[in-house]
Amino acid sequence: DSGVTQTPKHLITATGQRVTLRCSPRSGDLSVYWYQQSLDQGLQFLIQYYNGEERAKGNILERFSAQQFPDLHSELNLSSLELGDSALYFCASSVEGFGGQGTDTQYFGPGTRLTVL
Amino acid sequence: GQNIDQPTEMTATEGAIVQINCTYQTSGFNGLFWYQQHAGEAPTFLSYNVLDGLEEKGRFSSFLSRSKGYSYLLLKELQMKDSASYLCAVRGALNRDDKIIFGKGTRLHILP
Repeated sequence: DSGVTQTPKHLITATGQRVTLRCSPRSGDLSVYWYQQSLDQGLQFLIQYYNGEERAKGNILERFSAQQFPDLHSELNLSSLELGDSALYFCASSVEGFGGQGTDTQYFGPGTRLTVL
Repeated sequence: GQNIDQPTEMTATEGAIVQINCTYQTSGFNGLFWYQQHAGEAPTFLSYNVLDGLEEKGRFSSFLSRSKGYSYLLLKELQMKDSASYLCAVRGALNRDDKIIFGKGTRLHILP
């Protein structure tokens, strides 16, 4: 158990819908990262937040957005869902993630499996 | 551009040794990570290298050569439970775009 929690574990929805994925980082971690992993694909970095502010952006679609709240939990919002959005979505957290030491290891949550029908 | 290459799949025998290679090209370098990921599960941290040389941790060792942009993960005394994907990840420059780039992973199959 990494200490990172994600809800829900599974989500089944229809095309065109909107969903929200939730992540709570490990106690003491200020950075939250979101990743998408499709079948047979590597981890695709989406976005990173540090202490409530966006820090880095990866291959995140305009239909997707995220935020980190004052209590440091984060939500990833996916809208106008398409079949191709079906994937595992992982959240990871680390202590610093910006200007910190290189040993800033990311710890991953169990993921949310999104199925778009 | 930034790129991480590792073999797509490898097969080894239970009890043997296997070496998984990773080469990278990134703008800046502030550490290389190896993660293990079983199918459908979260990646779990295995090792971290920032200086050249070998880091040993039980059955697993990780090596780094910064001048060559090269790392390998060495797994000894292979067990069936080692069947998983192994992800190489590199942390680039420490700046506002600080992020870790993951390779696509090497799927390791262990045969009895």
